[in-house]
Amino acid sequence: GAVVSQHPSRVICKSGTSVKIECRSLDFQATTMFWYRQFPKKSLMLMATSNEGSKATYEQGVEKDKFLINHASLTLSTLTVTSAHPEDSSFYICSARDPAGGYNEQFFGPGTRLTVL
Amino acid sequence: QKEVEQDPGPLSVPEGAIVSLNCTYSNSAFQYFMWYRQYSRKGPELLMYTYSSGNKEDGRFTAQVDKSSKYISLFIRDSQPSDSATYLCAMRVGTGNQFYFGTGTSLTVIP
Repeated sequence: GAVVSQHPSRVICKSGTSVKIECRSLDFQATTMFWYRQFPKKSLMLMATSNEGSKATYEQGVEKDKFLINHASLTLSTLTVTSAHPEDSSFYICSARDPAGGYNEQFFGPGTRLTVL
Repeated sequence: QKEVEQDPGPLSVPEGAIVSLNCTYSNSAFQYFMWYRQYSRKGPELLMYTYSSGNKEDGRFTAQVDKSSKYISLFIRDSQPSDSATYLCAMRVGTGNQFYFGTGTSLTVIP
């Protein structure tokens, strides 16, 4: 299957700072990437869908000025949590999809654990 | 009502047992059904992918879809301790991007 990486795997930051998380598709070109948030013992909550070269589509209730998404290339999408607060602490997971390559399903990255102090 | 319902468990079985994991859904338009396995502090990993109704087998894993009952299942035969993980069902309508996930079932296989 396709491989998706995320960096960093874990980050601890102070309240008020911004944090950038990278998501890369390693062996395919991802025209579409997704960002999820997962709380303990809860399912994945889709935050936004990003398509290469265009603006991200945010799900209802997700602040686009808070969670900045950039999908500048076919292999890289970034999520920036701006002015992070303790309630932003969570497990953030990206996934990537490339229908052109036959990957109709989403392949997930290993996730990033964000802790805001 | 949630789009996808899944019993969170936890489910604990002895090694070698047959495990049955299930999800129900409300949207009859769902056509693609997936099962993901997620180990602790890791991202979900695609296990099985089924289109429409029917069965699909891959090694010790069998996925079943019953669209008339809006019910999908994942069976694990000869369960191993390495199968201990959270199993998430997911489904989508056609080629649309929106995936709908269950909450996941936590499984522990005891040696």
